[in-house]
Amino acid sequence: GDSVTQMEGPVTLSEEAFLTINCTYTATGYPSLFWYVQYPGEGLQLLLKATKADDKGSNKGFEATYRKETTSFHLEKGSVQVSDSAVYFCALSHTGGFKTIFGAGTRLFVKA
Amino acid sequence: SAVISQKPSRDICQRGTSLTIQCQVDSQVTMMFWYRQQPGQSLTLIATANQGSEATYESGFVIDKFPISRPNLTFSTLTVSNMSPEDSSIYLCSVDGDRAYNEQFFGPGTRLTVL
Repeated sequence: GDSVTQMEGPVTLSEEAFLTINCTYTATGYPSLFWYVQYPGEGLQLLLKATKADDKGSNKGFEATYRKETTSFHLEKGSVQVSDSAVYFCALSHTGGFKTIFGAGTRLFVKA
Repeated sequence: SAVISQKPSRDICQRGTSLTIQCQVDSQVTMMFWYRQQPGQSLTLIATANQGSEATYESGFVIDKFPISRPNLTFSTLTVSNMSPEDSSIYLCSVDGDRAYNEQFFGPGTRLTVL
């Protein structure tokens, strides 16, 4: 069945450092790919998405590119801020379907 | 985007009791979903709830343990029955957004601790 694997955390960075959180997936066909973010004490929020190969999703300085050849959707940000401290979830779903498969989540701590 | 609220935000319950979690959406939605997020783990879908029909449960989840109501297009409840410490989790309600991409919007969650 479909699955999502993302790098284990926690990831600890200093402010203004470069961030990469790796995500790979296993799925039939061509799913849509998502990054969700969960700030402390809150529910999940959609951060960005990509729906087909080579699409780049971007939001709030975060980017991720849908790489079909490597089945990956790595999250990157050039300069993190303390306010980016959260748990990040990679996820996939199939267009027209209603089930989203989530990765285990990666906790990010950003130090001032 | 939809604004979703959940009640209670957190609760501490005794083993063997039941808790009903409410989910309210500020707009009419077709599908509502209930997820469980166990400590330090990812989200697991419990069931999908459509208005006017029985909820559809995922493998490993049964109606007797997690009865769900969906009386209208803006409201749903999830009951965690006969609780044990293993039920300690965050329970999240979500709704469908852009159906072309299967986006979902999530509520803030209900943090449940069972003693």
